[in-house]
Amino acid sequence: QLQLQESGPGLVKPSETLSLTCTVSGVSITSDDYFWAWVRQPPGKGLDWIGSIHYFGSTYYNPSLKSRVAISVDTSRNQVSLKLNSVTAADTAVYYCARQTYDFLVPFDYWGQGTLVTVSS
Amino acid sequence: AISMTQSPSLLSASTGDRVTITCRMSQGINRDLAWYRQKPGKAPELLISGTSTLQSGVPSRFSGSGSGTDFSLTISSLQSEDFATYYCQQYYSFPHTFGQGTKLEI
Repeated sequence: QLQLQESGPGLVKPSETLSLTCTVSGVSITSDDYFWAWVRQPPGKGLDWIGSIHYFGSTYYNPSLKSRVAISVDTSRNQVSLKLNSVTAADTAVYYCARQTYDFLVPFDYWGQGTLVTVSS
Repeated sequence: AISMTQSPSLLSASTGDRVTITCRMSQGINRDLAWYRQKPGKAPELLISGTSTLQSGVPSRFSGSGSGTDFSLTISSLQSEDFATYYCQQYYSFPHTFGQGTKLEI
């Protein structure tokens, strides 16, 4: 059964780098069938797509975050990672890992439970 | 980026009611629209893709319709688990964008 589990520090200081990991179980992230995405949700607000990656190297980032974000895969650990630098309070959110099947321009058909990251000194 | 206007932002209803949520796009997206339900404290779950295709396991009381710029989600007979927040999402073009959400309350 597919499981996506986000992990990482729950508190990050302003101007520092937010680093999260999504551990995927039940399917190999090296499958050609899937893209892996990060979506975030500020407290009490809506959903924002951050970016998506295919293990073979294709990455897509939201233009609003592109200068600060990097998504990568660790095939040996079956993990997807997110790094967001120069964070501010506006980056406080629940961060979700999600799957896309067959293509990048498709919905997010499976989600992790999410992890709350607070940006504060 | 394609912008989306989802309405209403808050909808009050009772168990058994029929409700409709709408999503209007700033430009045409063919039928590349999805709907998600998000229960409190939980991750969103995909209900409908391609405007009207129910995902496996989604009850038939959910239905979607529309094309071009105007889309809707209808729940024919509300159940207790349907009181949640609903989001539309376009995947016609980069970047992915979501509606602002509709909170469905008792």
